Amino acid sequence: SQTIHQWPATLVQPVGSPLSLECTVEGTSNPNLYWYRQAAGRGLQLLFYSVGIGQISSEVPQNLSASRPQDRQFILSSKKLLLSDSGFYLCAWSVRLREGREQYFGPGTRLTVT
Amino acid sequence: QQPVQSPQAVILREGEDAVINCSSSKALYSVHWYRQKHGEAPVFLMILLKGGEQKGHEKISASFNEKKQQSSLYLTASQLSYSGTYFCGTAKSTGNQFYFGTGTSLTVIP
Repeated sequence: SQTIHQWPATLVQPVGSPLSLECTVEGTSNPNLYWYRQAAGRGLQLLFYSVGIGQISSEVPQNLSASRPQDRQFILSSKKLLLSDSGFYLCAWSVRLREGREQYFGPGTRLTVT
Repeated sequence: QQPVQSPQAVILREGEDAVINCSSSKALYSVHWYRQKHGEAPVFLMILLKGGEQKGHEKISASFNEKKQQSSLYLTASQLSYSGTYFCGTAKSTGNQFYFGTGTSLTVIP
């Protein structure tokens, strides 16, 4: 069965510090991968998605970036965090070739920028 | 591009029914429904791929009206475990980009 991991689970970082969040998927090949951010009490905002190694599409211009160095690894980064970067970061995967492509989410990383 | 959900919040007593609506200003390729418990990740409930399609799992079902660009989630005889925030999600025609709705908070009380 497929499993998706995210770490760390929680993170407190000062403004201006760098960020690296990692997501890995097990039990599937060639997945689509996604990064979402959810502000407190709000909906899910799509940040990046990837259909393959090195292929990243950005949905929202911001100080975040994403990379996919391996088929089942997706990394979210920032060089300098802003207060507005606080939120619940969720990685998700979907089967690339399946019609409709329902998504399955990792446990999330709760980031607080102070 | 974000779908709009209604109502924003609903409180039910156990055993009551509820309907959550999701509508989009753009054509819907598919509609997904998810439930998120407080502090947890969203969990996939069901996907509807074609206009007119209806699906159900136990006492939760959904319909998809492609022409009206809307979908509805039906919760019958609600249980305490149904509490959470429900999101609809829609995909562009390529299926790679997803947009989630504004969310509906559902609280079931004894």
